[in-house]
Order: sequence, then structure tokens, then C-alpha cells
Amino acid sequence: AQSVSQHNHHVILSEAASLELGCNYSYGGTVNLFWYVQYPGQHLQLLLKYFSGDPLVKGIKGFEAEFIKSKFSFNLRKPSVQWSDTAEYFCAVNPDKLIFGTGTRLQVFP
Amino acid sequence: EAGVAQSPRYKIIEKRQSVAFWCNPISGHATLYWYQQILGQGPKLLIQFQNNGVVDDSQLPKDRFSAERLKGVDSTLKIQPAKLEDSAVYLCASSLELTGGVFSSGYEQYFGPGTRLTVT
Repeated sequence: AQSVSQHNHHVILSEAASLELGCNYSYGGTVNLFWYVQYPGQHLQLLLKYFSGDPLVKGIKGFEAEFIKSKFSFNLRKPSVQWSDTAEYFCAVNPDKLIFGTGTRLQVFP
Repeated sequence: EAGVAQSPRYKIIEKRQSVAFWCNPISGHATLYWYQQILGQGPKLLIQFQNNGVVDDSQLPKDRFSAERLKGVDSTLKIQPAKLEDSAVYLCASSLELTGGVFSSGYEQYFGPGTRLTVT
């Protein structure tokens, strides 16, 4: 069955630290890849997406993600986090419907 | 533009009771989705509509869950009778189009605030 694995369930960082959240998926065909973010008290919203082309995708608020097809991975990165990045982050894959990972809760302390 | 609207925001019911959730998608969005998000998990698709037709309901527990989108705009999701394990956040999302499983480059799902259901 198609699935998405997010290895980090809870990440705690200080401001200005670098961030990398892991995401691996199991599906052998063509997929669309997404990272969604849910800030406290807000709706789930799209952070970035990959459909085709350059495997390094840049999203909002300085986030980027790299699609590595051979590793079935789509890791999210940010060189320097801010307190306002505190949120829950979901990786999702869309072979034919959107399949979400279990999410990573990120807490950034000033 | 206005986002996806959902109501109610919170609902507490006893097991075996029924409950209904309402969703109004973004204007012009042909595709509407209902997701269930259990605490500690990611959202799981329950049902997907394009206009007023069902595209995918393979993960909808049809013995107790039903959904409709009669005029291809707003939608209701119903649970009857509810079980304890139905406690979750029910999310509605909409997108511009879904064409036979091939997604356009503009494809993005916009989510509503969700309805938090507690079954006691």
C-alpha cells in the first residue's frame, strides 16, 4: 500500500538553527509531492509542492525541499528557523489521491 | 478570496447518536474532499467529489458515514450512528479541478478549519 513516513515526530530547535525534516514515501510510479503546514489555530496550508522539473523546490517563508527519486525522499529544509515557524508539518504524496504522513511537530524557542 | 468554510467548529455527541458536518468550498472549485484526522495522525481521505459526482469513496465507512454534494457546491458529511473511534477532526478541502487522475499544474487543495468531533 502507498504510504508516507515522517521520521521526526517532534523537533525542538532554537531560533537560527537549521532544520531538516525527513519524508519518505512508498510508491514506484510518478507522484506529486507536497509539504503542508498547520500553524497553531490555523488551517492546513500548502508550503511547497513538486510536480516535475528541478528537484529542488522553493516554497514560502524560506523553506525548500529536495526530491531524490532514487531514495523516494522529499525532505524539507530551512537554513535558519524563526519562532514563527512553530507549527505542525505534513508531508504528502499524490499518486492518485493525497496521502499524508503522520506529521512533525516543530517547536522553535527564542 | 473567501476560504473553505466549515461548520460547526466543535461538536460533542454520545455514541450511537448522529451528527452532520457542512462544508462550503471556495467559489469555482469543482473538486471537494472530506478528510478524517485522528489525533496524532495525518489527514485521511474519506471521499472526493468532482462537481456533484463521487470520484473516490474507497475509504469511507459506508455502513455509518454518508456524504452528498447535491448541487455541486456545498457538501454535508453525516455519521449515523457514531462510535467512539469516530472522534477526530473532519477537514473539508477544495481544489480547482481533477481530471481523470491527471493533475494540472495548478492543482492545490485548500483546507477549511475543520470540525472537531468528540464522541463520548
